[in-house]
Amino acid sequence: AQKVTQAQTEISVVEKEDVTLDCVYETRDTTYYLFWYKQPPSGELVFLIRRNSFDEQNEISGRYSWNFQKSTSSFNFTITASQVVDSAVYFCALIKTSGTYKYIFGTGTRLKVLA
Amino acid sequence: DSGVTQTPKHLITATGQRVTLRCSPRSGDLSVYWYQQSLDQGLQFLIQYYNGEERAKGNILERFSAQQFPDLHSELNLSSLELGDSALYFCASSVARQQGSNEQFFGPGTRLTVL
Repeated sequence: AQKVTQAQTEISVVEKEDVTLDCVYETRDTTYYLFWYKQPPSGELVFLIRRNSFDEQNEISGRYSWNFQKSTSSFNFTITASQVVDSAVYFCALIKTSGTYKYIFGTGTRLKVLA
Repeated sequence: DSGVTQTPKHLITATGQRVTLRCSPRSGDLSVYWYQQSLDQGLQFLIQYYNGEERAKGNILERFSAQQFPDLHSELNLSSLELGDSALYFCASSVARQQGSNEQFFGPGTRLTVL
């Protein structure tokens, strides 16, 4: 069975602090995709990144970085020098595209960045 | 602005009724996806269409159906509505047929309230 766990329900940090959002997944498949999405208070969903299971390279995009480790089944997301505009709910998701299709979202982590 | 439009923005209806949600994908995108976000169930993938044909099915109830028309817009039909169907319904679009292969662009959502 596939599962995505975001154990941190809510995190509060002060502006300019670094913060890491954890995502742990379970799957027996060798081919899958992992995603992160942002949902700001306005409610829309914003795609942040996707990673396929064969690409363990870490990625950095501005203040955002992602650490994919298959050995620990984790796909963690770090925001460096957080800003108030980073306040949002962040979702991690797993897509299994082989055999029976599955698209599983985590329950989300609410990040509050305080000025 | 993602380029994906959804109408209506808000919908209030009664139990037992039927409603239709509409989505227009970004120009050039052939895939349309529907998601449901509720307090009880969190974020769930419902269904995907690619160029008019059903591509993948998620946790879509039998009371729900969708289609994608030749002009690529899509409609999600929800019937015999129950209180638990109250949720935010997102539509997303992408170029590719396979979900994981590229970025998805989300519409602003339709908030459905069933009274």
